[in-house]
Amino acid sequence: DVKVTQSSRYLVKRTGEKVFLECVQDMDHENMFWYRQDPGLGLRLIYFSYDVKMKEKGDIPEGYSVSREKKERFSLILESASTSQTSMYLCASSLNRKAFFGQGTRLTVV
Amino acid sequence: GIQVEQSPPDLILQEGANSTLRCNFSDSVNNLQWFHQNPWGQLINLFYIPSGTKQNGRLSATTVATERYSLLYISSSQTTDSGVYFCAVPIYNQGGKLIFGQGTELSVKP
Repeated sequence: DVKVTQSSRYLVKRTGEKVFLECVQDMDHENMFWYRQDPGLGLRLIYFSYDVKMKEKGDIPEGYSVSREKKERFSLILESASTSQTSMYLCASSLNRKAFFGQGTRLTVV
Repeated sequence: GIQVEQSPPDLILQEGANSTLRCNFSDSVNNLQWFHQNPWGQLINLFYIPSGTKQNGRLSATTVATERYSLLYISSSQTTDSGVYFCAVPIYNQGGKLIFGQGTELSVKP
């Protein structure tokens, strides 16, 4: 089975901190995604990547950046965390349009 | 863009009851996935079902692509079935980005 692993399940950070959320997949998938999930707003795409060093903005990229230096790893970066970025973050990888998700990271910015 | 709608938004069942969850989509699709989000937030793959019917234990799914809907059946429900069920379709020209429905929140009472 495909395994997608996110580095932390729960994270608490202070406003203004630089935050790194890491995601690793073990199946050599080309496409990887970062979503955030908020009550009443559903799941929204932040960024995606279709190859190493390639990235595309999703629906809500503001305040975020990403890095994909190796195929298996896709990092989400909050340059200066704000309370509005308190959310559930979900990473996914996909092959042939079939997606697999990590366990999620619940981030709280205080 | 494509719209994905799920019904009902929430559902309460007694253990042992059966249920049907519905997913409608506004345009033709070549793929559709059903997920279960567990209480810890992880999205678990249930079915990858662009068309036809699949079964996995007490769960089965049917997609009628020509009529733009998919159904998820849960038989003999158990308390562990509780959680939110999502359907999602990929957008091919955006790396397989998933468009999610708003989910059906299922609560199974003992």
